Amino acid sequence: EAQVTQNPRYLITVTGKKLTVTCSQNMNHEYMSWYRQDPGLGLRQIYYSMNVEVTDKGDVPEGYKVSRKEKRNFPLILESPSPNQTSLYFCASSPPGVGETQYFGPGTRLLVL
Amino acid sequence: AQSVAQPEDQVNVAEGNPLTVKCTYSVSGNPYLFWYVQYPNRGLQFLLKYITGDNLVKGSYGFEAEFNKSQTSFHLKKPSALVSDSALYFCAVRAPLTGYSTLTFGKGTMLLVSP
Repeated sequence: EAQVTQNPRYLITVTGKKLTVTCSQNMNHEYMSWYRQDPGLGLRQIYYSMNVEVTDKGDVPEGYKVSRKEKRNFPLILESPSPNQTSLYFCASSPPGVGETQYFGPGTRLLVL
Repeated sequence: AQSVAQPEDQVNVAEGNPLTVKCTYSVSGNPYLFWYVQYPNRGLQFLLKYITGDNLVKGSYGFEAEFNKSQTSFHLKKPSALVSDSALYFCAVRAPLTGYSTLTFGKGTMLLVSP
């Protein structure tokens, strides 16, 4: 089944404790993105990647890191999480091209205490 | 900069009645427009998109959307709502650039269909 998977689905952590949210897709897509969803703000892009070893900042990159060492994986790293990073996070992938549909993972709900 | 406006935080409709979820956009050039739906505790699912061609686009689950260039709108419609259509709906726009083009989302509209 074609899908985007994220782990963990739920995470409670404390301020300053480094964490990684994994994202993997099995559709051989070149493009991958991370979004955060907050009430009243919709989805905002954190980082995106056009291919292996090619990443760039989205609209809200502060406090986040990403890497793209393999085509299928695009982990999101929070080096020192803070409470304002409490949010619902989505990973997405798509083939290249502006008309292509993005496929979303199930989401990771993060609470930073 | 491109942007999307969904002017209604919530739309209420009775089952069997037609529904409309509004979306307007701002982008340079001809837009690529998308609608996604999010059910509780689920990721976003693609409903339909407008790239070019016929202004009326048909998508999944009986939904359709009409692209109106003069009004810069892309409203989502369904002739007869179902209770199971209750969900959060997002409109999104992309500029027709070469290379990577950010997908910009609206804030979402909650659709509540009552029995």
